[in-house]
Amino acid sequence: AQSVTQPDIHITVSEGASLELRCNYSYGATPYLFWYVQSPGQGLQLLLKYFSGDTLVQGIKGFEAEFKRSQSSFNLRKPSVHWSDAAEYFCAVGYNTDKLIFGTGTRLQVFP
Amino acid sequence: EAQVTQNPRYLITVTGKKLTVTCSQNMNHEYMSWYRQDPGLGLRQIYYSMNVEVTDKGDVPEGYKVSRKEKRNFPLILESPSPNQTSLYFCASSLRWEGRNEQFFGPGTRLTVL
Repeated sequence: AQSVTQPDIHITVSEGASLELRCNYSYGATPYLFWYVQSPGQGLQLLLKYFSGDTLVQGIKGFEAEFKRSQSSFNLRKPSVHWSDAAEYFCAVGYNTDKLIFGTGTRLQVFP
Repeated sequence: EAQVTQNPRYLITVTGKKLTVTCSQNMNHEYMSWYRQDPGLGLRQIYYSMNVEVTDKGDVPEGYKVSRKEKRNFPLILESPSPNQTSLYFCASSLRWEGRNEQFFGPGTRLTVL
């Protein structure tokens, strides 16, 4: 069955530190890959997406993600975290079926 | 402004009292979907709709109904709510379902069933 794994439930970083959030998917073919962010009390906002081509994709708010086919991973990174980045982050995969599959989310806490 | 709206944003009700959560989008999107978000479980799809009058079950459809009579609206109906339906609900839409299309999310509806 298709699935998405975000192994880190909760991550805490200091402001200005680098960040990497992990995402792994299970499926043979390359899916469409997304990262969404959910700020407190808000809906989900798309950060970035990968369909094909360059495996390093740039998104909004200074985020980037790298697709690694050999590891079935699509990890999200940011070189320097800001306090406003505190939120919950969801990795999602889409296939040519009828739904988007979400991971369980990683909650990011940022200390000043 | 392009957006997905949901009403109400917060709702407290009692077991068995029918309720409807409305969802509307102004982007002329064909695809709409309902999700519920629970701690540790992420987002799970309840129902989706490929277009007007076309709906289908997602992963957790039990206890829910939907309808798609107009392209812009996709209400979620709980005929007889139970406490295990206490959750945060999101409506989403995308241009059409092709796997690659971004989904736009509403602000969420926090439902508590006592």
